[in-house]
Amino acid sequence: QQQVKQSPQSLIVQKGGISIINCAYENTAFDYFPWYQQFPGKGPALLIAIRPDVSEKKEGRFTISFNKSAKQFSLHIMDSQPGDSATYFCASTMDSSASKIIFGSGTRLSIRP
Amino acid sequence: NAGVTQTPKFQVLKTGQSMTLQCAQDMNHEYMSWYRQDPGMGLRLIHYSVGAGITDQGEVPNGYNVSRSTTEDFPLRLLSAAPSQTSVYFCASRPHSGTEAFFGQGTRLTVV
Repeated sequence: QQQVKQSPQSLIVQKGGISIINCAYENTAFDYFPWYQQFPGKGPALLIAIRPDVSEKKEGRFTISFNKSAKQFSLHIMDSQPGDSATYFCASTMDSSASKIIFGSGTRLSIRP
Repeated sequence: NAGVTQTPKFQVLKTGQSMTLQCAQDMNHEYMSWYRQDPGMGLRLIHYSVGAGITDQGEVPNGYNVSRSTTEDFPLRLLSAAPSQTSVYFCASRPHSGTEAFFGQGTRLTVV
């Protein structure tokens, strides 16, 4: 069962542009929403995460926007660079040691120079 | 610290063969899990463990077995390999008190 829906599946952005990836979740018990970044041949690594008590979190060029009522959250990459080319996964989980992390289907981002 | 180590990195199996994918972590994390990654499907949870001696099924457990005899190791066993199990497999761990998952480099498995 797909509890986290991610779009688009792939995205091409010009260097310097804004990359936007969207996710929607179903389980209102989720209280932690991370984004993972994966480069070819590597395992995913945590990029940035947000909890539902805030509507936005920014770390450098990366921003998560969170809409609790719509059960949606998105990743914005400002001033996108070729080095940002990777696959991005949104995820949802509960802040519990026994909780599972449920991942979205992934977005392959390509930044054109 | 080596983090999460998976072996082998690549494997080709014939249909019906069995094998074990190894996963070891040196961070003393309680929580470990196995995912498979397929194009357009994201990361799907196969099995997970919240501590030594405790395992549970994820979204796609059929055809796989796990055990957790130590905190460090969490092997994934394919009982009778099928072409549908061709995938990239990732092992991950995280601490009891944390939410960040640390992934291994993956095992690319091809079943012919």
